[in-house]
Amino acid sequence: KAGVTQTPRYLIKTRGQQVTLSCSPISGHRSVSWYQQTPGQGLQFLFEYFSETQRNKGNFPGRFSGRQFSNSRSEMNVSTLELGDSALYLCASSLEGTVSDTQYFGPGTRLTVL
Amino acid sequence: GDSVTQMEGPVTLSEEAFLTINCTYTATGYPSLFWYVQYPGEGLQLLLKATKADDKGSNKGFEATYRKETTSFHLEKGSVQVSDSAVYFCALISNDYKLSFGAGTTVTVRA
Repeated sequence: KAGVTQTPRYLIKTRGQQVTLSCSPISGHRSVSWYQQTPGQGLQFLFEYFSETQRNKGNFPGRFSGRQFSNSRSEMNVSTLELGDSALYLCASSLEGTVSDTQYFGPGTRLTVL
Repeated sequence: GDSVTQMEGPVTLSEEAFLTINCTYTATGYPSLFWYVQYPGEGLQLLLKATKADDKGSNKGFEATYRKETTSFHLEKGSVQVSDSAVYFCALISNDYKLSFGAGTTVTVRA
């Protein structure tokens, strides 16, 4: 079974631009979560979607948004990019997103903001 | 809120040495606990998990036991190899659908 895929793998943008990242979960998985990884803040939760509904959101500004489609694929969008948004963005999928489920991670999208 | 505290690194070991990485947590309810590993330039891979107290997760020679009384989930391996060099993350998930991670421990194994 194919793993979680993320596109693009690398992205370079300038301040003020916006960006959209894509995530395709493992087939059959209905929950998709997004995380930001930076050297200073570590791994931080952005949001989680299940059946096209956002169930939880982390402490990030409104510039960070996401959505999930009926086929469980998910996108996240960052508007008005800032230098501090440079990070590795990781997507994870799980069957139902319950406490006992395992989240499987994709390889990430490396975003650099200049 | 939920939080995870893990041993700070970096940790440098010789091949065949014993590895322990300490992890303690604070959570409401009954979380599940995980260890993930990250190799350079890659995403996170699940190493092992435990979903209830006294469960022992194990994989590739690594073990960790869910200790509710001490709120701990320490990772151990009896004999490390160079290929075990990576960053290790302890994490928990409770009823809010999100993984809370520790800061990560960088492990380097020398031949």
